[in-house]
Amino acid sequence: SQQGEEDPQALSIQEGENATMNCSYKTSINNLQWYRQNSGRGLVHLILIRSNEREKHSGRLRVTLDTSKKSSSLLITASRAADTASYFCAYSGSARQLTFGSGTQLTVLP
Amino acid sequence: DAGVIQSPRHEVTEMGQEVTLRCKPISGHNSLFWYRQTMMRGLELLIYFNNNVPIDDSGMPEDRFSAKMPNASFSTLKIQPSEPRDSAVYFCASSLGEDQPQHFGDGTRLSIL
Repeated sequence: SQQGEEDPQALSIQEGENATMNCSYKTSINNLQWYRQNSGRGLVHLILIRSNEREKHSGRLRVTLDTSKKSSSLLITASRAADTASYFCAYSGSARQLTFGSGTQLTVLP
Repeated sequence: DAGVIQSPRHEVTEMGQEVTLRCKPISGHNSLFWYRQTMMRGLELLIYFNNNVPIDDSGMPEDRFSAKMPNASFSTLKIQPSEPRDSAVYFCASSLGEDQPQHFGDGTRLSIL
């Protein structure tokens, strides 16, 4: 299945800094979602943004969606060591089931 | 509230053996998904069910793989015969609909020797 592309593949920052991850896709979408995966665990849903929304917040998370550029970004503010994980975008398009991106590995250094 | 439950958590077996992975979705969820995750290929959708009916099995790698969902609270993924290249982490996820947030189990780490 055609995956979304995420960049960067890996990101290393200091605790307290902001982390930004980007996701690009190739089809029209119904919604786009972000997930986190801690090492050795399953993915955990973080936030969903619909195609008619441009920005959404949840705690320290901010997601933007630009359907004209077919891209989304996830911003984690004031990062913590516990935010260290892989982050995946997933979108629902013409194939209603989700298509997952390749992920960004975030490391937050204490 | 119990999440998605997968068993076993780890499985090590020899090439050629039959492997059965099990999944109990969240009660009330009517979509169930099986994924495989490897370093090389990332997260791949193998098959998904809506209301216990297989909808898309185009991700199933070959005839050695089969999946069933006999009722709303149980699904299996079977590999027969298993091969070393099947080694991966297999995840089950469930949701209220195909494009709705998915809840993942903690996966089965499968090693075929």
